[in-house]
This record gives sequence, C-alpha cells and structure tokens, in this order.
Amino acid sequence: GEDVEQSLFLSVREGDSSVINCTYTDSSSTYLYWYKQEPGAGLQLLTYIFSNMDMKQDQRLTVLLNKKDKHLSLRIADTQTGDSAIYFCAESFHSGGYQKVTFGIGTKLQVIP
Amino acid sequence: GAVVSQHPSRVICKSGTSVKIECRSLDFQATTMFWYRQFPKQSLMLMATSNEGSKATYEQGVEKDKFLINHASLTLSTLTVTSAHPEDSSFYICSAKAGIYNEQFFGPGTRLTVL
Repeated sequence: GEDVEQSLFLSVREGDSSVINCTYTDSSSTYLYWYKQEPGAGLQLLTYIFSNMDMKQDQRLTVLLNKKDKHLSLRIADTQTGDSAIYFCAESFHSGGYQKVTFGIGTKLQVIP
Repeated sequence: GAVVSQHPSRVICKSGTSVKIECRSLDFQATTMFWYRQFPKQSLMLMATSNEGSKATYEQGVEKDKFLINHASLTLSTLTVTSAHPEDSSFYICSAKAGIYNEQFFGPGTRLTVL
C-alpha cells in the first residue's frame, strides 16, 4: 500500500534554516502536502506541490520534489520559535473513485532560542 | 481560505455512552468529507470517506457499526462513536474537500476521552 516516511525529530537554532525530509512510495500521487500541527491543535495546511513540479516557494517556505527518488522536502528559512510544531508530509492519490491522502508520522521541529 | 469547524473540541464521557462529533464546512460546500483518527505520537489514520447523500466508505479495520457517519448535507458530516470504550479515546479530525479544490481542509480536531 501507500507509505509515507519521515524522520521523527529535528532540532535547529533560531535563525537557521530547517529542512524536513519525506519519502513516499506511490508514483501515481497527484499532490504532495506539508501540514503543521501545533500542540493540541488541528492541522494547518502550509503548502502543497503538484506532482509535476520540482519546486515551489512561498515566503520562508521552499518545497523541493524529486519525483524520480520520491523524495519531498520542506525548507523553512530563518526558523523562528513559533515554527516549533509537528510537520506532516502527505500525498494524495485516487483510489476507488475518491481522492485519498496518506500521512507520514510527523516530524517534530524544535527551535532553540 | 476554506474553513472547517468541529464541535465539540473536547468531550469526556463514560464508558458505554455514545458521542456525536460534528464537522462543518463554513464557507464552502463539501462534496467529500473525511474522518481521521490520531493516536498519540502517531500519524493520522483515515477512518472513512463520505460523500453527501451516500453511505460512507470505511477503511479496512474500522467498524462501521461502531463509528456511524452521516453526511446529510453539503456542509455537515457527523461521526457518532457508539458505546464508547476507553480504547476509543483519541483525537478525531475531519477534513472536507470541495469539488473545485484539490486539497483537503482540516477541522481543528476533537479530543475524546472515555472514562
């Protein structure tokens, strides 16, 4: 079945760049997403990239997609303490006539002041 | 952007009771709604997919008689946990998708604690 993997934990210093990596298995995925979950809260869509794109930049966020290697990354420039959260990578694909989404386990980003 | 709300945000109930969780799309019509469950330190697990006016499609291993889903309108879906037990304690998150959008918009989640 579809599988999305990401590392569990990342620690960076405030002001540095953070890079969160993700790998997925389904080559037929249509969109790939990055969600942010703050403690006790739901998911917030940060950004997404269509599967035929290589890169997408949105202010401090840069998404890189290597479709050949099925590797997705999220770079946060000038990381701030408010960026501390769990970041979920997700891929969407069509199954049985519906769009479904598979999530990774989430990477906990800790920003050290 | 599209907004999805959930009610209640937190609920504590006794074992054996039923709990209903509502998911609403506030500013768009959701052709499809999804229900997820999130265990501590684990990712989201899709429980079921529902389209307005039709029966929900449950994922393998999810008991449809225990987790009743109703998607009666284009803006409302409900998840009822029947005869709840402590092992049903979890964070339940819904998402909604409109036909014109490719992404899902998530609700803030409902923390269910069964005593």
